[in-house]
Amino acid sequence: KQEVTQIPAALSVPEGENLVLNCSFTDSAIYNLQWFRQDPGKGLTSLLLIQSSQREQTSGRLNASLDKSSGRSTLYIAASQPGDSATYLCAVRTGGYNKLIFGAGTRLAVHP
Amino acid sequence: SAVISQKPSRDICQRGTSLTIQCQVDSQVTMMFWYRQQPGQSLTLIATANQGSEATYESGFVIDKFPISRPNLTFSTLTVSNMSPEDSSIYLCSVGEGPGTEAFFGQGTRLTVV
Repeated sequence: KQEVTQIPAALSVPEGENLVLNCSFTDSAIYNLQWFRQDPGKGLTSLLLIQSSQREQTSGRLNASLDKSSGRSTLYIAASQPGDSATYLCAVRTGGYNKLIFGAGTRLAVHP
Repeated sequence: SAVISQKPSRDICQRGTSLTIQCQVDSQVTMMFWYRQQPGQSLTLIATANQGSEATYESGFVIDKFPISRPNLTFSTLTVSNMSPEDSSIYLCSVGEGPGTEAFFGQGTRLTVV
């Protein structure tokens, strides 16, 4: 059974720091891995999608890497800003019906 | 990318009543997914809805409690029936075609049962 773990559960940093959020999964048989952002009480915004054959994806200040064989992904946020404060979720797509398995998320607070 | 609209965005309901959540997509999609996010928890898949067939429910979720309709390729509804306070959650619909594609989510429906 696929399980997704995110570390740390919460993170509080001053503005301007570079951050690394971690995601691990137990079964390497995935189609892809996706990082999302969720603001309090809201839906999910897709940040980055990494296919199983890819090693990394970049969008602006965000960079996500994938090491499928070891079951790990990292989300790197450069020069963090207060507007980056949110919960970050990773999810792997696996199994039939394109099922997404989510981690519990990392709650990020960036203070001025 | 797909744009997904959910209604209502939030609601406060009395226990024992039912609420129907609507999900509208701006393009035709084969599969739509319904998720639940309980307070402080991550997302759990409730069911997958294909147009023209019965929804497929995940373990722990049953059709009598969460009936789903999928009348066409751009619309679906999820009903939360006979609600109790334990049903207080955010409910989200999602689309994503094929194993290698990106998943998109609606803005969610925040349900509080009192």
